[in-house]
Parts: sequence; structure tokens; C-alpha cells
Amino acid sequence: AQKITQTQPGMFVQEKEAVTLDCTYDTSDQSYGLFWYKQPSSGEMIFLIYQGSYDEQNATEGRYSLNFQKARKSANLVISASQLGDSAMYFCAIGEPGGGSNYKLTFGKGTLLTVNP
Amino acid sequence: DAMVIQNPRYQVTQFGKPVTLSCSQTLNHNVMYWYQQKSSQAPKLLFHYYDKDFNNEADTPDNFQSRRPNTSFCFLDIRSPGLGDTAMYLCATASWEKLFFGSGTQLSVL
Repeated sequence: AQKITQTQPGMFVQEKEAVTLDCTYDTSDQSYGLFWYKQPSSGEMIFLIYQGSYDEQNATEGRYSLNFQKARKSANLVISASQLGDSAMYFCAIGEPGGGSNYKLTFGKGTLLTVNP
Repeated sequence: DAMVIQNPRYQVTQFGKPVTLSCSQTLNHNVMYWYQQKSSQAPKLLFHYYDKDFNNEADTPDNFQSRRPNTSFCFLDIRSPGLGDTAMYLCATASWEKLFFGSGTQLSVL
């Protein structure tokens, strides 16, 4: 069984500042993937970033980076230069390999990020 | 352009009245998923298809069924909805490590 823990129900950040959203995970699988998704109030889940368990370098996608510390089983999301449009719910997820290279995901409970002007 | 399309956006049904939610994709992906997300909770996987192979999660209620007549379309059938089935239902397809979600259908059972 896989489990994701997000300990911050809500976070506030000033526009243009950086923010870190915490995520820890538990799995017995040797191979897995870690994901972050953004869910605005409209409801759609938007893929942000992916980190494979065997990737040695931290993943980056534009303003998003994933601080992966395998020994500590943490996969924190760092958003640099926050924008008002970043206000949303953020979900961390862990993937169990499914069909082919595709993943079934287990999500955490989410962190609601509010960016203040 | 929307790649995973869910209809309707909002659905209201009565307790015990069967309801069907639909999902279509223009990505030609083999894998499709249905997730249930209750208010202020994490999305929870109900089932997924790999091509026509159907995979049910162990704790998905028998009340929930799915059909996938072709690659592009997938349906979620709730045979006898209960009040506890009020939730957002999210459809997704997958390619490698990325899941592509639709905008969801918010189902209210009254």
C-alpha cells in the first residue's frame, strides 16, 4: 500500500515570493513516481511535475521544482516567484506502475495555497 | 482545446435513480481512469481501463460500474446512487508519467 501525507492544510505566500509545499510518502515499492497536481477552483487537475524514484536529479518545470529526498521519503514542491494565479489546491501523489509506463495514483489530502498581492 | 471532455459539468439526481456520467478523449490513449473526489478530500481511484481490460479497485462499491465501448469514450454508471455518492467525478487518461484530467462532473444526489 502507498500513502501520501501533506501536513499543511493551508499556506499563504506573498506575490513574487517562493513557497514550499511539503509532501512525505510511504511505499514498499522499489520503483515509483512522485507527482504534483494543481486544482484550481474550476476543478480540473493540472499536472505540474514528476519525479521518478531512480532519478538522481531533482525535477524542474519552469517555476516548479521538486525537492526529492529519497532517504527521508519526502517530495516537496517549490514554487518560485509566486503569482496570483497560483492560488489553488495542490496535491502530491505517488504512482504505482500500472499498464505499461502508466501510473495509478494515490493522492494526499492537499494543501490550499493562497497568494496574496 | 480540451483533450479530456466530461459531460455534464453538473448533474443532479435523486436518491436511488440511476445516473451515467460520460468522458471522451481526443488523445487516443490506451489508459483511462475514473476518480471520485468528495468535498475537501483527495481524489480516490475507482477503476481504470487498459485498452478494454477493466480493473476495479478493491474498495470500489458494487454500485459503481463502467463501460468503455471504444478508445475515445468511457462511462461511469451509478446504479442506485446514495447521498454519500455526492462528489466530483474526474476522468483521466494517461501517457507515460502524465495524467490528463477532464474538468470533472459534480454529482449531487438529493
